[in-house]
Formats: sequence, C-alpha cells, structure tokens
Amino acid sequence: AQKITQTQPGMFVQEKEAVTLDCTYDTSDPSYGLFWYKQPSSGEMIFLIYQGSYDQQNATEGRYSLNFQKARKSANLVISASQLGDSAMYFCAMRGNTGANSKLTFGKGITLSVRP
Amino acid sequence: DGGITQSPKYLFRKEGQNVTLSCEQNLNHDAMYWYRQDPGQGLRLIYYSQIVNDFQKGDIAEGYSVSREKKESFPLTVTSAQKNPTAFYLCASSNRGYTGELFFGEGSRLTVL
Repeated sequence: AQKITQTQPGMFVQEKEAVTLDCTYDTSDPSYGLFWYKQPSSGEMIFLIYQGSYDQQNATEGRYSLNFQKARKSANLVISASQLGDSAMYFCAMRGNTGANSKLTFGKGITLSVRP
Repeated sequence: DGGITQSPKYLFRKEGQNVTLSCEQNLNHDAMYWYRQDPGQGLRLIYYSQIVNDFQKGDIAEGYSVSREKKESFPLTVTSAQKNPTAFYLCASSNRGYTGELFFGEGSRLTVL
C-alpha cells in the first residue's frame, strides 16, 4: 500500500515571498512518481510538477520546485515569489508501478493563503 | 482541443434515486479514474480502469458502479445504496505507468435533497 501525508493545516505567506509545503510518503514500490496539484476555489485540479523516483535532480517548473529527499521519503513543494493567485489548496500525490499502487493516491491537502 | 469532459456540472437528486455522471476523454488515455471530494478534504478513489472492459474498486466503491465499454468513456452511477452521496466528483485520465500525470475534468457537484 502507498500513503501520502500532508500535516500542515494551513499556510500563510506574504506576497513575493517563498513558501514550502510539506509532503511525506510511503510505498513498497521501487519505482514511483510524485506529483503536486493545485486546486483553486473553482474546483479544477491543476497539475504543477512531477518527480520520478529515479530522477537525479530535483524537478523545477517555473516558480515551482520540488525538494525531493528520497531517503527521508519527502517531496516538499517550494513556491518562489508568491502571488495572490497562488491562494488555493495544494495536494501531494503519488503513483507506483505495480498493481493497486498504479493508481494515484492523494494526501489530504494544504490550504495556502497569500497575503498582499 | 484535447481534454476531459464531465457532465452535468451540477446535479440535484432525491433520496432513493440513481444518478449517472458522464466522463468522456479524447486524449487517447488507457487509464481513467473517479474520485470523490468532500468539503475541505482530499480526493478519495472510487473506481479506476486501466483498460477497456476492465475496472477495479478503489477505496470507497460501495454504493457506486462503473462501466468501461469504450476507451473514451467511463460513466459513474451513484446508486441509492450510497448513504451519503452529496459530494464533488472528479473524473481523470492518464497514460499507464507511474510517470504520467492525471488530467482532470472540471468536476460534477451532486446534491441529494
């Protein structure tokens, strides 16, 4: 079985500052993918960034970067230069490569509020 | 444009009625998924299908049914056996394997009166 843990209840950040959203995971698969999604109040799920378990470098996509620490089983999302439009719920998720683990498992999410 | 279409966006039903939510994708993805989201909560997997004519139960399949007769379509029926069906339902699709992200529809909000 695989599990995603997001324990931060809610985060606040000042506009233009950086923020880190925490995510830890557990899986028995040697090959897996880690994902972050953003969900604004409209409800749509927006894919942000992907990290493969065998990737040597941390993934980056514009203002988003993933701080991947495989030994600690953590995959924290870093948002640089926060914008008001970043206010949303953020979900960490993972997929394994075998059987039931091939489905995408989500954490409970973190609410981020950006202050002007 | 390629994407996932869910309908209806909003749906009201009376207790005891079955209702079917539609999900269509034109991304040529093999895998499709249904998730349920309750207010302020994460996504919980209802059913998923990795290939036509095959599907598996997710974590909360009781009271739901699905079919996968075509690659493009994965409808979800919320039956009267589902005790608390009021929720936001999200359909998604992806390529097979662990590297592909899921593409989501805009969701269907079901309210039981």
